[in-house]
Amino acid sequence: GQQLNQSPQSMFIQEGEDVSMNCTSSSIFNTWLWYKQEPGEGPVLLIALYKAGELTSNGRLTAQFGITRKDSFLNISASIPSDVGIYFCAGQLVGTYKYIFGTGTRLKVLA
Amino acid sequence: GAVVSQHPSRVICKSGTSVKIECRSLDFQATTMFWYRQFPKQSLMLMATSNEGSKATYEQGVEKDKFLINHASLTLSTLTVTSAHPEDSSFYICSARLQGTALEQYFGPGTRLTVT
Repeated sequence: GQQLNQSPQSMFIQEGEDVSMNCTSSSIFNTWLWYKQEPGEGPVLLIALYKAGELTSNGRLTAQFGITRKDSFLNISASIPSDVGIYFCAGQLVGTYKYIFGTGTRLKVLA
Repeated sequence: GAVVSQHPSRVICKSGTSVKIECRSLDFQATTMFWYRQFPKQSLMLMATSNEGSKATYEQGVEKDKFLINHASLTLSTLTVTSAHPEDSSFYICSARLQGTALEQYFGPGTRLTVT
């Protein structure tokens, strides 16, 4: 099936550092969603982006919907140990309610 | 708000048997529910879209006779894995979209299926 290119695949960072990850595609999307998944659990919605250029924050998280509608990024500022997990982007296919998921970014935070 | 539950959370079954997984939206009505499959350390792959009162729409490569989906009400969708084989072992996750034009999807906690 289709997938979005998400990078980096994994990150090991020190507590307190900022983190940036992004998703890119050759396709245009109407909506971008960012999720966090912890082992053995379902993804939890972090941020939703609805239009090109939109910049939205949720606490220490900030995400942007790319102007071209083909990409999005997520920043986490001042990381803490509980930020550990896998982060997925998801792009909504035009004309549907279906989402395609990115390949995921595995984040580990060293205290 | 927007809580989705799944049952069971884990199931082990023998080859050849069928397993039913339930997905419920607890505090909202979901016109559309989605079923995903996730292999270890991989992303979520959409299997099918389930619409209340109508037949599910399956993604390319997903056998509809093997993965039976029923969306009998606005709060319940079920996935039945028929004649399960070891290669069907996976993490199955459902998500639900609120009624109307809502675009967000809320996920259940997932069901770990192991076929022996």
